[in-house]
Amino acid sequence: GAGVSQSPRYKVTKRGQDVALRCDPISGHVSLYWYRQALGQGPEFLTYFNYEAQQDKSGLPNDRFSAERPEGSISTLTIQRTEQRDSAMYRCASSLDISGYEQYFGPGTRLTVT
Amino acid sequence: SQKIEQNSEALNIQEGKTATLTCNYTNYSPAYLQWYRQDPGRGPVFLLLIRENEKEKRKERLKVTFDTTLKQSLFHITASQPADSATYLCALWEGGSYIPTFGRGTSLIVHP
Repeated sequence: GAGVSQSPRYKVTKRGQDVALRCDPISGHVSLYWYRQALGQGPEFLTYFNYEAQQDKSGLPNDRFSAERPEGSISTLTIQRTEQRDSAMYRCASSLDISGYEQYFGPGTRLTVT
Repeated sequence: SQKIEQNSEALNIQEGKTATLTCNYTNYSPAYLQWYRQDPGRGPVFLLLIRENEKEKRKERLKVTFDTTLKQSLFHITASQPADSATYLCALWEGGSYIPTFGRGTSLIVHP
């Protein structure tokens, strides 16, 4: 079946613009996680949802970052007033149950802020 | 401070040998530890999960050990193949937490 998909795969934006990154999890997966991954590093937790409820957003760097999953399926990570330091690979992962232990990662969105 | 250490230097081995990768941690009390494989340009792929009360877990050519006294997990690939070349990440889950912390990963290169 289809895996986790993310769009766009690449996004170049100018400093100060808002961007929305989309994650489409595996159908039926309850948990959805957002990560940021720098080159040569492991994924760094940002936030996660069980169904439509945001369970933890402690990893979001500041209040310019927000995420939603209104119907418990597709999720959007929004970055307002982007800055160059926001440039990174943003990945989402989904998991069948609320434990979140076995996660299936998407291909990521490479965000470049110029 | 909390730290997860994986060798930053690539591990180079010859095809057919056993590859052993290390994940050490400090100031964590993980209830679970996972290993993932990541190929260039792709997302991590889940391989194995081991619980704190398990010493060893196997899956085909893969074996993971978990020593909570040494605060270390070892990841072994037996009869390694060039197709096993990738970066391998460990991830810790502390008890009661649903948030994993990933190490930076170790690159494995298997030479034919």
